Formats: sequence, structure tokens, C-alpha cells
Amino acid sequence: SYVLTQPPSVSVAPGQTARITCGGNDIGRKNVHWNQQRPGQAPLLVVYDDSARPSGIPDRFSGSNSGNTATLTITRVEAGDEADYYCQVWDSGSDQPWVFGGGTKLTVL
Amino acid sequence: EVQLVQSGGGLVQPGGSLRLSCSVSGFTFTLHEMNWVRQAPGKGLEWVANIGTSGNIVYYANSVRGRFTISRDNAKDSLYLRMDSLRPDDTAVYFCAREGISGRGFDYWGQGALVTVS
Repeated sequence: SYVLTQPPSVSVAPGQTARITCGGNDIGRKNVHWNQQRPGQAPLLVVYDDSARPSGIPDRFSGSNSGNTATLTITRVEAGDEADYYCQVWDSGSDQPWVFGGGTKLTVL
Repeated sequence: EVQLVQSGGGLVQPGGSLRLSCSVSGFTFTLHEMNWVRQAPGKGLEWVANIGTSGNIVYYANSVRGRFTISRDNAKDSLYLRMDSLRPDDTAVYFCAREGISGRGFDYWGQGALVTVS
């Protein structure tokens, strides 16, 4: 089955830019979605189809995807952005089509 | 307003069974595939099962295939997860999630239901 690899943690100071990567074999050919999960809450979709934002998600959140790496970028990081972030793809042709990355804990210093 | 309201979690002994429900409102249920996702204590998200709009196409994670059954009742706007032969490693918070049109990620989630197998 398809594997998505994320760094366990990323730290950034308020106001700076955070970049969270998601690695996968030829992931650039897939649509990548990103979910934010604050402690004790359900996940929230923040980016879909590599770089699109759902309604209500600030434009500080953006995504890119090429080659073997997809990236979620959060600019002007705020304390409220501290959360776990999970990338997600649909692996067509697989009998286990939805795949999540292991998650990245974003810490705002 | 889109809402996914879950019910049915609880404590069950190993080998036992449980059924989770997810009642939806605020959108046309028959237009969306639906999923179950779980999260073991202190762990990441694990996709569990997917069901197509009419209910005739389903997929399962290897970890639950043969033990869990996903189903939906489009007349009742409800999604279900029947869990049999439960094991301690099935202990997790279970979320139902709506799949966006054309597979654009999971755009709405239920509040989660804790299942404890012990």
C-alpha cells in the first residue's frame, strides 16, 4: 500500500513561515489534501487538491505538490495554528485507497 | 448547516461487537461518499472504511477487513459501522467523515466516538 512520510515535528516562531512536508513515491501525480487537528477536536480540512482552500480557511494556508514531495505552507504563523497536521491522498487502484501520513506536530514557539 | 452527529461508542469486551452511527443533515447525503477514520490514543489518523453513494461499493483497511462492515441508509441520511470480533488494538476514537465532491478530501467530520475494547 502507498506510504506517506511526514516529519514528526516542526517548530516555528510566531509571525514566521512554517513548512510541513509529505513524501510519497511520485506524489506529484496524486491530489494531496491536508487536515489540521487541534487537541481534543475532530480534524479540519485546510487544503484540498494540492493547493485549494475550503471556504473559511485563511489564505495564510497554502499547498504545493511536485515530484516526491507535497508541502503545506503556513505564513504569518499564529499561536492558534499549533496543531497536528496530516496529509492525505487517494491511491487509485488500491484496495485501501485512502491513505494518511503519520502526522506532524506544529509547535509555535 | 452541514452536521454529522455520531452515536454508539462505549466499552466492550474483546471479541464483542458494537455499532456506530452517524446521522447527517444539511446536505444531500446521496451525493457524497462517506468514510470512517479512527485515532488510537496518542496516535495518528487511520482510515478505516469507505462507502460509495449508493452503498454498493465499499473499501476497508486491511486491519479491519472481515471484522467491520460499513453501510448506509440513504432514506435515513445515516452511516453505520458494525464492528465485530473487536480487539484491544481497535480502541480508538472513531470519526465519520464526508468526502467532498470528486474526492476532494474529507470536508466535514463528526465529533468522534470513543470505543474502548477491554
